[in-house]
Amino acid sequence: DVVMTQTPLSLSVTPGQPASISCKSSQSLLHSDGKTYLYWFLQKPGQSPQILISEVSSRFSGVPDKFSGSGSGTDFTLRISRVEAEDVGVYYCMQGINLPWTFGQGTKVEIK
Amino acid sequence: QVQLQESGPGLVKPSETLSLTCTVSGGSISSYYWSWIRQPPEKGLEWIGYIYYTGSTDYNPSLKSRVTISVDTSKNQFSLKLSSVTAADTAVYYCARGRRYMDVWGKGSTVIISS
Repeated sequence: DVVMTQTPLSLSVTPGQPASISCKSSQSLLHSDGKTYLYWFLQKPGQSPQILISEVSSRFSGVPDKFSGSGSGTDFTLRISRVEAEDVGVYYCMQGINLPWTFGQGTKVEIK
Repeated sequence: QVQLQESGPGLVKPSETLSLTCTVSGGSISSYYWSWIRQPPEKGLEWIGYIYYTGSTDYNPSLKSRVTISVDTSKNQFSLKLSSVTAADTAVYYCARGRRYMDVWGKGSTVIISS
């Protein structure tokens, strides 16, 4: 299985400050079709996960542009330019190149 | 706006079969993949498997011998069966639309495995 490793596992951020989450995969997520199958999800407290970003950097409809994804191969980053209270929750990366799809352990983002 | 709703028993005895159904409303089940994902208490997400509306499936190898996902297009539903359950299968079970790009999720169904 492809192992997804997220760091840090928890993050306490002052409102208005940026935050960054790293996700590393045990093998390249670049498919022969040219796409890189890396996704980011956010699970807000008491809610089901919601997709934020697909294929490294494509924001889902309605996701504010303060969220951005970058990276290639095996190293990826999710950035939040200005963290607000509504951004708290657990962020997961997921790979979709090899079955079974696997998720990172999750990064819990809190507000200071 | 498509919505998903999981339904099924919240308590299942060890060694029995867990059965959940996901009802799709506000849209057709056709032309999409549909997935099941679970989350044990205080833990992360685990992909269980997916089904195309035509019935083709892929499962997590760690669960493959026990999992069956099926679809009923006439009812706009898809289902999960997990046999020979143990306490380790206690989790919130989510259904979602999509194969990789899971863009719509149900609220989740808590299933506890206990005698």
